[in-house]
Parts: sequence; structure tokens; C-alpha cells
Amino acid sequence: DQQVKQNSPSLSVQEGRISILNCDYTNSMFDYFLWYKKYPAEGPTFLISISSIKDKNEDGRFTVFLNKSAKHLSLHIVPSQPGDSAVYFCAAKGGTSYDKVIFGPGTSLSVIP
Amino acid sequence: KAGVTQTPRYLIKTRGQQVTLSCSPISGHRSVSWYQQTPGQGLQFLFEYFSETQRNKGNFPGRFSGRQFSNSRSEMNVSTLELGDSALYLCASAGGGTPTGELFFGEGSRLTVL
Repeated sequence: DQQVKQNSPSLSVQEGRISILNCDYTNSMFDYFLWYKKYPAEGPTFLISISSIKDKNEDGRFTVFLNKSAKHLSLHIVPSQPGDSAVYFCAAKGGTSYDKVIFGPGTSLSVIP
Repeated sequence: KAGVTQTPRYLIKTRGQQVTLSCSPISGHRSVSWYQQTPGQGLQFLFEYFSETQRNKGNFPGRFSGRQFSNSRSEMNVSTLELGDSALYLCASAGGGTPTGELFFGEGSRLTVL
């Protein structure tokens, strides 16, 4: 049973436009939501996170939106750059340091110059 | 400071063999988690160790095991390898004291089972 879902395996966006990556989750006990980016032959790197008490968190070109009632979050990248081409993983965890981080299957983003 | 180091980076085994992978976390990090990445499945959680104790375990068969040493270095072992064990195995470390879930990953060990 996949608790974190990313229904779009891939996404292509023109350079300069907005990229929107979506993520759905099933466990209402999740307290923290994160996005990781992964380039080929590298490990994932943390990008941005949001706690369940917020509905938006922004860091430069990256903004994460959380809709708890819909159990849905999204990552917006504005403007998209070719260097943003990577696999993006949505992740979630409970509220204690003991909870494991659960990842979605990932969305491969291609930003076309 | 140095990042998470995983060895070996690549290895090829045959069915029935066993394999041991090693992970050195960031200095000062006491939590080490292991994940298996396969195409379409994302990162599947294997287990997490904190101060030499297994704190969490995923839904993998008993052929997958791990341990953590007093210096926080961790190893995972897979016995009686199957073709389906071919994957990228990722290790991630964390300070262990914060609940936010920020993990620092190594580059992974790419295992191919023939």
C-alpha cells in the first residue's frame, strides 16, 4: 500500500515557465512533507519541506503548497531552468524523530531550453 | 564536512550469493537509514539504525539485514541474492534529534544480480 503517490512519472516544461509537480498521500498522521531532487549517479538531495501546520513554504524559485483536507501537496518551480532537470521525490513522515521517511515513486522533470 | 560515503559503488553478484554494503555517515550523525531504489518504485525503506539500535524496519524479507557500529558506520547485508534484488541501495544519515525528516544521502551502491 503506497502511502505517498506521485501519479505523473514524467513532466516536460519549457525553460522559463512554471513546473508543477504533484503528490498525494493517504496517511493523515504525517506531520512533515519534503521534496528531494535526484540527478543520475548521485544520491537524492533535500530541496524544501513543509510542516502540516502550514499551507505554503517558499525558498527562492521553489514553493511547496500543502492542502491537508485533500491530502495533496505540490512543488512549484518558477522560473524553470535546464539545471532543474532531475527526478523529484515527494516524501512524508510523522511528527517524531523516530518516524521513518516514506518516499513516493518520483517524477522525472525535463526542462527544455 | 565530508558527506555520506557508500562502498562499493558498483558490484555484480550471482544468484544465491550474499553481499555486504557499507555506509559512513556524516560526522556527528547518529541515524543511518537504508533505502532500495528500483525503477517505478521510488525509494523503498529498508531499515533505520540509531545509536547501534534498529529503530525502524520496512517490509523486506529477513534476507535483508543491517547493523550499526559504535562509530555510527553501518552495514547492510543481503543473503541468498535473487534477480529482483538488483537495485540502487542508498544510505542516508541524519542528526537524529530533529523530526523534520531531512536526510543526507550517499551516492548509492549499484547492485546487479545475474
